[in-house]
Amino acid sequence: KQEVTQIPAALSVPEGENLVLNCSFTDSAIYNLQWFRQDPGKGLTSLLLIQSSQREQTSGRLNASLDKSSGRSTLYIAASQPGDSATYLCACDPPRSGGGADGLTFGKGTHLIIQP
Amino acid sequence: GAVVSQHPSWVICKSGTSVKIECRSLDFQATTMFWYRQFPKQSLMLMATSNEGSKATYEQGVEKDKFLINHASLTLSTLTVTSAHPEDSSFYICSGARGMNTEAFFGQGTRLTVV
Repeated sequence: KQEVTQIPAALSVPEGENLVLNCSFTDSAIYNLQWFRQDPGKGLTSLLLIQSSQREQTSGRLNASLDKSSGRSTLYIAASQPGDSATYLCACDPPRSGGGADGLTFGKGTHLIIQP
Repeated sequence: GAVVSQHPSWVICKSGTSVKIECRSLDFQATTMFWYRQFPKQSLMLMATSNEGSKATYEQGVEKDKFLINHASLTLSTLTVTSAHPEDSSFYICSGARGMNTEAFFGQGTRLTVV
């Protein structure tokens, strides 16, 4: 059974810093890996999706890397801003079983606070 | 982009009553819908997977008679929490996928409080 762990559980940094969020997973047989943002009491916003054959994806100030063999992914946030404050979730999508898409396995998230 | 609309965003109900949560895919046909729940300080956990026109597949530990899922059309799935109890209070969120090789898109979530 896939297990996803995110470190740190919480992080508070001053505005402008570059930071790295970590995600590890126990089963390297994944279809893809996604990073989401969750604001308090709200749904999920997809940030980046990395296919299993890819090593990284970039969107604006965000860069996510994937190392399947070691079961790790990192989310790099450059020049952090107070608006980046949220909980960041990492989720693994299992291999397709032939019957269609399967549900994601999520980590508990990293609660990020960017101090103005 | 693909949009999934989930309603209501929050609901408070009395213990013993039933609550229905709707999830609609607005601009795509969701062949598969997933339902998750999230308890405080915990990760989102998959409850069940439903394919349009078929019975839902429930994860271990999720009571299918308590959490009724209907996916009668390609744009609508509903989750009904029957005879809700305070321990069912949680954040419920749906996601829809267009097919086998596409990502899933999430609704806004529903905060259920049972008093």
